[in-house]
Amino acid sequence: GQQLNQSPQSMFIQEGEDVSMNCTSSSIFNTWLWYKQDPGEGPVLLIALYKAGELTSNGRLTAQFGITRKDSFLNISASIPSDVGIYFCAGQLSPGTYKYIFGTGTRLKVLA
Amino acid sequence: NAGVTQTPKFQVLKTGQSMTLQCAQDMNHNSMYWYRQDPGMGLRLIYYSASEGTTDKGEVPNGYNVSRLNKREFSLRLESAAPSQTSVYFCASSGGANVLTFGAGSRLTVL
Repeated sequence: GQQLNQSPQSMFIQEGEDVSMNCTSSSIFNTWLWYKQDPGEGPVLLIALYKAGELTSNGRLTAQFGITRKDSFLNISASIPSDVGIYFCAGQLSPGTYKYIFGTGTRLKVLA
Repeated sequence: NAGVTQTPKFQVLKTGQSMTLQCAQDMNHNSMYWYRQDPGMGLRLIYYSASEGTTDKGEVPNGYNVSRLNKREFSLRLESAAPSQTSVYFCASSGGANVLTFGAGSRLTVL
């Protein structure tokens, strides 16, 4: 089936550093979603992107919908310890479809 | 402000036993979903219900059945549990904004 390649798989960073992660695919997506999952909890929506080139921020988080519609990027500025968790991207293939493809996640660990 | 509520949070079954995972949402969303999450594999869609009265298979439907009981509730049933169904199960719903809202998950272990 279709896959989303999410990278990096994991990263250790120092508190205060900026973080970048991305998702790529050979398929074109209509919507990109970015989620964060804390241990023992369900994924929580961070940012939703609806059109190519869109750049959207949510506090220290910024995400972009790639121009080719095959990729998306998430940046976290000035990381803090509570940013620890797993970040997932998800893509919706076409309008009206109810199927979302999820990336395998980026596990972020912040060193104080 | 409950969002999506799943029960139970934890369950241990023996191979061959059956059980039902319950899910309810209070956001008046039309669509509901069941995903499973396994290490290193992200979230995979088991079944979904685009609207009340309809259900469709997702990526990994074998061994599962679903019921969309009404607009609020969507249950997932394992008729004869197998160790390969050990996983964390998430229910989600979506409305007009095309974003998924997830429950807190149900951790199932099949011995």
